[in-house]
Amino acid sequence: DAKTTQPTSMDCAEGRAANLPCNHSTISGNEYVYWYRQIHSQGPQYIIHGLKNNETNEMASLIITEDRKSSTLILPHATLRDTAVYYCIVRVSGGSNYKLTFGKGTLLTVNP
Amino acid sequence: ETGVTQTPRHLVMGMTNKKSLKCEQHLGHNAMYWYKQSAKKPLELMFVYNFKEQTENNSVPSRFSPECPNSSHLFLHLHTLQPEDSALYLCASSPKSGRGVRDTQYFGPGTRLTVL
Repeated sequence: DAKTTQPTSMDCAEGRAANLPCNHSTISGNEYVYWYRQIHSQGPQYIIHGLKNNETNEMASLIITEDRKSSTLILPHATLRDTAVYYCIVRVSGGSNYKLTFGKGTLLTVNP
Repeated sequence: ETGVTQTPRHLVMGMTNKKSLKCEQHLGHNAMYWYKQSAKKPLELMFVYNFKEQTENNSVPSRFSPECPNSSHLFLHLHTLQPEDSALYLCASSPKSGRGVRDTQYFGPGTRLTVL
């Protein structure tokens, strides 16, 4: 699975958009980009995933660059409850390998 | 609520005790996972079960023994643990069909384990 690089931490003001970047320059054509987050002392929570098109759901938007070497997770109106560690994961979908490897992620702190 | 429940939420045990962690998923998924999260470390995958068959054991010591009696239940049996095994133990499940859908894992709240 391709390696990802994320900033260690970021801050965001409540009510503003939070833009979390992720670099995955070695991504291959059949690898998806997944985002999860983990609020302190809770289990990780799936947010969104995509292959090459931009994706949006009720939680966030995922913008993937045309060359697919980087992506940005956007929380349009961050709230204090969005404070969490955000993980960007790149991996092949399907097959017999179910392994999902979590790195260190980005600690997003939403400030009042 | 993610549809994945874990019990107990907190567990304190001595090094000579035997205990079990339980995970149950109500999502109709066919794959289930155990992860370990130690303080200030990334999540570590321990075991993977697919259709009740263990498909991955990530070099986990034998003092951790998983059991998957059916696709909805997963157990982690613990015996003669060490203090360094204290961690948050997370269970997850994932569905079986759809491109990209298979890898969307849904996590339980975890069991906070303390070994004295």
